[in-house]
Amino acid sequence: DAGVIQSPRHEVTEMGQEVTLRCKPISGHDYLFWYRQTMMRGLELLIYFNNNVPIDDSGMPEDRFSAKMPNASFSTLKIQPSEPRDSAVYFCASTFIRDRVADTQYFGPGTRLTVL
Amino acid sequence: KQEVTQIPAALSVPEGENLVLNCSFTDSAIYNLQWFRQDPGKGLTSLLLIQSSQREQTSGRLNASLDKSSGRSTLYIAASQPGDSATYLCAVRPGQAGTALIFGKGTTLSVSS
Repeated sequence: DAGVIQSPRHEVTEMGQEVTLRCKPISGHDYLFWYRQTMMRGLELLIYFNNNVPIDDSGMPEDRFSAKMPNASFSTLKIQPSEPRDSAVYFCASTFIRDRVADTQYFGPGTRLTVL
Repeated sequence: KQEVTQIPAALSVPEGENLVLNCSFTDSAIYNLQWFRQDPGKGLTSLLLIQSSQREQTSGRLNASLDKSSGRSTLYIAASQPGDSATYLCAVRPGQAGTALIFGKGTTLSVSS
């Protein structure tokens, strides 16, 4: 398997623009997570899905952030409008749970977002 | 609210030294604990996962221990090598809060040759 795939790897945009980050989880995984990493706050969960349904979005910072998972193989994280404080590395991760035992979370390479 | 702390934030050692990285968490009700490695500009790679019923896990030169009652975990690296230089992150899966991980801020390790 190719692992978790994220695109783009790098994004530079200007304040006020819409940004869309994309993620393809590992085939067969039924959980997908979006995390954000900054120097100040470390890695923080934004939202996660189970079987394409959002379960916990309490980490989404503001209404400017939205996430969708239209099918088991694709998810998007959208920021509209973007602000300089959104600059961070955004990671997508996936995993599966069998018999109530959680497996390792597998992370994508991340998207480095810079908002000017 | 679960909080994860890693000490030290940075560590520099000469090649060949054995070392210990520390992780503490405030709520002992966890499903599991994972140690990850992150190289600069890269994603996270899982090193070891310890289920709440386990005390330790080993993989090669790495050994991770878990003491739930005291809210502590350690990652032991034997005979360190320059290739071990990276940031090591500890993460817990909370007992009642679903499957999302809560991360520490990491320990950045530098091993000199």
